[in-house]
Amino acid sequence: GAVVSQHPSRVICKSGTSVKIECRSLDFQATTMFWYRQFPKQSLMLMATSNEGSKATYEQGVEKDKFLINHASLTLSTLTVTSAHPEDSSFYICSARGTSRGTGELFFGEGSRLTVL
Amino acid sequence: QQQVKQSPQSLIVQKGGISIINCAYENTAFDYFPWYQQFPGKGPALLIAIRPDVSEKKEGRFTISFNKSAKQFSLHIMDSQPGDSATYFCAASIGTGGGNKLTFGTGTQLKVEL
Repeated sequence: GAVVSQHPSRVICKSGTSVKIECRSLDFQATTMFWYRQFPKQSLMLMATSNEGSKATYEQGVEKDKFLINHASLTLSTLTVTSAHPEDSSFYICSARGTSRGTGELFFGEGSRLTVL
Repeated sequence: QQQVKQSPQSLIVQKGGISIINCAYENTAFDYFPWYQQFPGKGPALLIAIRPDVSEKKEGRFTISFNKSAKQFSLHIMDSQPGDSATYFCAASIGTGGGNKLTFGTGTQLKVEL
């Protein structure tokens, strides 16, 4: 079964509204989570690294005031797309690295499809 | 800067054939090289991964070949099946654990025909 869960899987919103996407690690504690964005038929682009209890680290070119990340607990990170516009429509995917999983494997969520009208 | 280059962009293979996808990297500090499989509308799932201290790793029908001097690695899918039809991404990261941030290749869309 899935070890990283994302919600919602699909969301449609009007331009100018804010949308929150949740990423949960289901059977392990995740000190670090990563948020990716994927446009159709393209690769995954890392947006930011989310660390529990501290500020997220954003990749170059990603607006931190537009994509708010909160990693308030060891099992939950949230991505809020503020004042969404049609160009923000994309597939957002999170991944998590556990504190107890020695292999270092990253587990990915199922993704959240955002459509901004 | 594209640090991990992947080819081909798309691939059609007959059932039972061998699918081969290639990747090349630039950053010699990379020391973890996973391959991911992604079905439409789903997140990627780890298939197999290799570290630079070995030249080949095999898990079932999936094999990674790694050439450190050439900075290249490839995925071979033996006895390809229609259920293998998906998009495959190679990736690379720095650090002893796969938990460090990954740089992904551009992806290869594989279609296995009957």
